[in-house]
Amino acid sequence: QTVVTQEPSLTVSPGGTVTLTCASSTGTVTSGYYPNWFQQKPGQVPRTLIYSTTYKHSWTPARFSGSLLGGKAALTLSGVQPEDEAEYYCLLYYDGAWVFGGGTKLTVL
Amino acid sequence: QVQLLESGPGLVKPSQTLSLTCTVSGGSVSSGPFYWSWIRQHPGKGLEWIGYVYHSGNTFYNPSLNSRLMISLDTSKNQFSLNLRSVTAADTAVYYCVRWDCSGACHSDYWGQGTLVTVSS
Repeated sequence: QTVVTQEPSLTVSPGGTVTLTCASSTGTVTSGYYPNWFQQKPGQVPRTLIYSTTYKHSWTPARFSGSLLGGKAALTLSGVQPEDEAEYYCLLYYDGAWVFGGGTKLTVL
Repeated sequence: QVQLLESGPGLVKPSQTLSLTCTVSGGSVSSGPFYWSWIRQHPGKGLEWIGYVYHSGNTFYNPSLNSRLMISLDTSKNQFSLNLRSVTAADTAVYYCVRWDCSGACHSDYWGQGTLVTVSS
């Protein structure tokens, strides 16, 4: 069974920069896994921030960016705001099926 | 504006079938290139992709659920549905219906509000 791994938790200071990563048990994550990143705040519905590695939705703040880094998919937040405190999930594509990572709880402190 | 609304029983007995419907407004389930999907979230846990149905009716399922799962379209009602057989307490979750736009790179753009389904006797 394919496992997608994220950091369980990260803490960042307001105004700082943080990178969340997403690894696949099958090996190197490439653009062919079409990495998606979702943000979910408590009591809210998840929303897509990044898709197909680097693409942003119209609602995605400019401080969020997606990339491939060291064999993983990555989500970087530059100039973190207090409202960025949330759970972040990555999603990878595997030949017709998608698998979510376990999520990263980002604390802004 | 596209809206998705989940409906169905909030309580299902073990071994029975969980059936949910997603009613779509502001768009047609028979129009491409959209996938209509279900995603669930166990209480206090992460997200799990369940599967989706293409506007043509082709389906793709989570391999771990494949033997119990059916997702289908009802174009006459502009709905799509989820049927999960032989449920256990492990199927207790909030179930979201989600549209995926594959006009370019596939991405989810519209989510329902989610509906909690509890499996319990």
